[in-house]
Amino acid sequence: QIQLVQSGPELKKPGETVKISCKASGYTFTNYGMNWVKQAPGKGLKWMGWINTNTGEPTYAEEFKGRFAFSLETSASTAYLQINNLKNEDTATYFCARSGVRRRYFDYWGQGTTLTVSS
Amino acid sequence: DIQMTQSSSYLSVSLGGRVTITCKASDHINNWLAWYQQKPGNAPRLLISGATSLETGVPSRFSGSGSGKDYTLSITSLQTEDVATYYCQQYWSTPYTFGGGTKLEIK
Repeated sequence: QIQLVQSGPELKKPGETVKISCKASGYTFTNYGMNWVKQAPGKGLKWMGWINTNTGEPTYAEEFKGRFAFSLETSASTAYLQINNLKNEDTATYFCARSGVRRRYFDYWGQGTTLTVSS
Repeated sequence: DIQMTQSSSYLSVSLGGRVTITCKASDHINNWLAWYQQKPGNAPRLLISGATSLETGVPSRFSGSGSGKDYTLSITSLQTEDVATYYCQQYWSTPYTFGGGTKLEIK
C-alpha cells in the first residue's frame, strides 16, 4: 500500500537547522510530485511548495523562499525539507503530500512532523 | 495568488442531519478544487477532487458540487466520525491555496 512516512518530532533552538524526511513506498517515486505543507498550532494549512521528483527542480511559495530547501534522495524514495536559521514562527507541523503530474491534488499525506523552535 | 474563502469557520449540526460547506475562489479555477478532511492529530485526508469526484473509500454521504468560483461540500446523514475540520484547496495555479477551514461539530 502507498505510504509516506515522515521523521520524528524535532526540538530546536532559534538559529539552528532542521532536516525533515519523507520516505515513500508502494508506488514509483518519480511518477509523482512531492509537496510540503505547513500547519502552525491551531491554524490552517499552508502550501510551501513542491519538488519535481523527476528533475529535482523545486518550486517555493513566495513566503518560503530563502531559508527553506526541498531535496531528494531518489534511490531511497525519500524527499527532504530543510529549514535554516530557525525562527520561533517555524514552530508547526510539517506534512509531505504526493501529487499527480497534471492533477495536482494531494492524494496521500505523511503523518506530519512536529517542529518546536524554542530557546 | 488565488484566495480561497470558506465563509463558515464553524458549523454545528445534529446527528443524522445534512450540512453544506461553501468555498469561494477569488478567480475561476476550472473545477480544479479538492476537499480534505482533517481530524485532530491526524494528517488531512483527500475526500473529493475535481470538485465532484469522490475518492475511493469515501462514504457516499459526501458529495461535491460547483463550478467557476463557487463550490460546496455536502454531507448527509451526519455521523459522529464526521466531526473534523474541512478544507477546500485549489490546484489550478501555484501557489496552491487552501481555504481557512470549517470545523464541524455535532449539536
